[in-house]
Amino acid sequence: DGGITQSPKYLFRKEGQNVTLSCEQNLNHDAMYWYRQDPGQGLRLIYYSQIVNDFQKGDIAEGYSVSREKKESFPLTVTSAQKNPTAFYLCASRVRGDSNQPQHFGDGTRLSIL
Amino acid sequence: GQQVMQIPQYQHVQEGEDFTTYCNSSTTLSNIQWYKQRPGGHPVFLIQLVKSGEVKKQKRLTFQFGEAKKNSSLHITATQTTDVGTYFCAGGFQKLVFGTGTRLLVSP
Repeated sequence: DGGITQSPKYLFRKEGQNVTLSCEQNLNHDAMYWYRQDPGQGLRLIYYSQIVNDFQKGDIAEGYSVSREKKESFPLTVTSAQKNPTAFYLCASRVRGDSNQPQHFGDGTRLSIL
Repeated sequence: GQQVMQIPQYQHVQEGEDFTTYCNSSTTLSNIQWYKQRPGGHPVFLIQLVKSGEVKKQKRLTFQFGEAKKNSSLHITATQTTDVGTYFCAGGFQKLVFGTGTRLLVSP
């Protein structure tokens, strides 16, 4: 069954700690995306990648980093430089970045500060 | 940069009443997509509109793309409790810009 898997579902971060959110897809999609959603708010783009070994900053990239070493995987690291990391993080993918295709989302990771 | 606004931000209706959310972009869009996010869930794709003035229907849901391709609307006829959630429009090519969302609450 194809889809996007995000883990963990819940994550707690201590002060000064970096944490990594996992996103894996078996849909054979080229493009992958990371969004941040705050309570009652819309989705804001953190980073996106249209092809392996390439990625671009979104609207709120400061305090975050990503890698795209494999087509299936697009992990997001929330660094200690991100002072307000508490949010719902959503990973998405679509067939190609330069297409009109819809995005498919994972179930998300809820990150909180300890 | 491109901005996509939606109104209203929130609407509470009685079951059986109609509901409409409006989406307005600061720039012309090549296409508009609509997503629904249930409480605690992730956005799920509903539909895409591409042509100017296009209207598409999915059962009780009617989607419209404006003639100038800068606005869109979603209308739900005779709402049901299963319609509860937040509805987002999204536009863009290489990266989607999501609207601010309209949260719909339906009371039985």
